[in-house]
Amino acid sequence: EAQVTQNPRYLITVTGKKLTVTCSQNMNHEYMSWYRQDPGLGLRQIYYSMNVEVTDKGDVPEGYKVSRKEKRNFPLILESPSPNQTSLYFCASSFKGSSYEQYFGPGTRLTVT
Amino acid sequence: KNQVEQSPQSLIILEGKNCTLQCNYTVSPFSNLRWYKQDTGRGPVSLTIMTFSENTKSNGRYTATLDADTKQSSLHITASQLSDSASYICVVSKFSKLIQGAQKLVFGQGTRLTINP
Repeated sequence: EAQVTQNPRYLITVTGKKLTVTCSQNMNHEYMSWYRQDPGLGLRQIYYSMNVEVTDKGDVPEGYKVSRKEKRNFPLILESPSPNQTSLYFCASSFKGSSYEQYFGPGTRLTVT
Repeated sequence: KNQVEQSPQSLIILEGKNCTLQCNYTVSPFSNLRWYKQDTGRGPVSLTIMTFSENTKSNGRYTATLDADTKQSSLHITASQLSDSASYICVVSKFSKLIQGAQKLVFGQGTRLTINP
């Protein structure tokens, strides 16, 4: 089944403790992206990747890192999480090109205390 | 500032009724406009994608329209069902000036639709 998977689905952590949220897709998509969704703000792009070893900042990249060492994986790294990073995070993927549909993962609900 | 604004913020209708959701945008340069359905706690799922030259596109009981001149779009839902209860998000894709093929998506805040029996 074609899908985007994220792990973990739920995470509660404390300020400053490094964490990684994994994202994997099995559709051979070149393009992958991370978003956060907060009440009243809609989805906002954190980082995106056009292909292996090609990444760029989105609208809200501060406090996040990403890497794209393999085509199927695009992990999101929070080196020192803070409470303002409490949010619902979505990974998405698509073929390269602006008219291709993006497929979203199921989401990761992160709480930083 | 690039923006996508949706109205209404929330809407409650009875099962079987029709409804129309609105989206106005100022995103430029425009590539395409998408409507997504998002169930609570789940990832968005694409309903339609329309390019500049397309005025209307249907997906079952969902019909989206686009007026690129006025920068407005609407999503019409016919004969609503309880399973239509969700948030509907209008998303405008813009061409990236820096990286060819990059998708820069600008999301609206969504319309929360509730279908009552």
